[in-house]
Amino acid sequence: DQQVKQNSPSLSVQEGRISILNCDYTNSMFDYFLWYKKYPAEGPTFLISISSIKDKNEDGRFTVFLNKSAKHLSLHIVPSQPGDSAVYFCAAMGSNFGNEKLTFGTGTRLTIIP
Amino acid sequence: DAGITQSPRHKVTETGTPVTLRCHQTENHRYMYWYRQDPGHGLRLIHYSYGVKDTDKGEVSDGYSVSRSKTEDFLLTLESATSSQTSVYFCAIRTKSESTDTQYFGPGTRLTVL
Repeated sequence: DQQVKQNSPSLSVQEGRISILNCDYTNSMFDYFLWYKKYPAEGPTFLISISSIKDKNEDGRFTVFLNKSAKHLSLHIVPSQPGDSAVYFCAAMGSNFGNEKLTFGTGTRLTIIP
Repeated sequence: DAGITQSPRHKVTETGTPVTLRCHQTENHRYMYWYRQDPGHGLRLIHYSYGVKDTDKGEVSDGYSVSRSKTEDFLLTLESATSSQTSVYFCAIRTKSESTDTQYFGPGTRLTVL
């Protein structure tokens, strides 16, 4: 039972354009969400997070949007750069669980085309 | 990188042999985690620790045990390795503030069980 779903295994975007990565969740107890970026042969790197009390959080080129009613979040990268080519994981946690454990999606491989 | 190291970084072993992976952190974090990453599954939690000698199971704990005898080290043991345990293993620590709650990952250990 996949509680966090990334339905697009891969995405290709032209350099300079917007990249939009999507994530859906099924557990209504999740209230904090994170995005990680992973290069080959390295550990995942934290990118940005959002609490369920917000619907948007920005950090430089990265913006995360949360739609609680749809149980959907998305990561926008503008403008996309070649160094953004990586696998992106969405993750969720719930304060009712003590926020001790993260549940991850299966990842989306983003390729930025020069 | 939150001061996390993992050893070994690569290991090849044979079915039925015991294997221990080590995670070491230098910043006195209370929470430590072990994940495995497999194609099509994202990152899945094996075990985690919330203090010295305090551990709990994750979603894929069968065949694995852990120990934490001091704050800085969290060991993952495969008592009798099987080919299904061929994977990349990541250790993580948790940092929490008023506004954020984030896990940071080590560089990973690639384990091959023949």
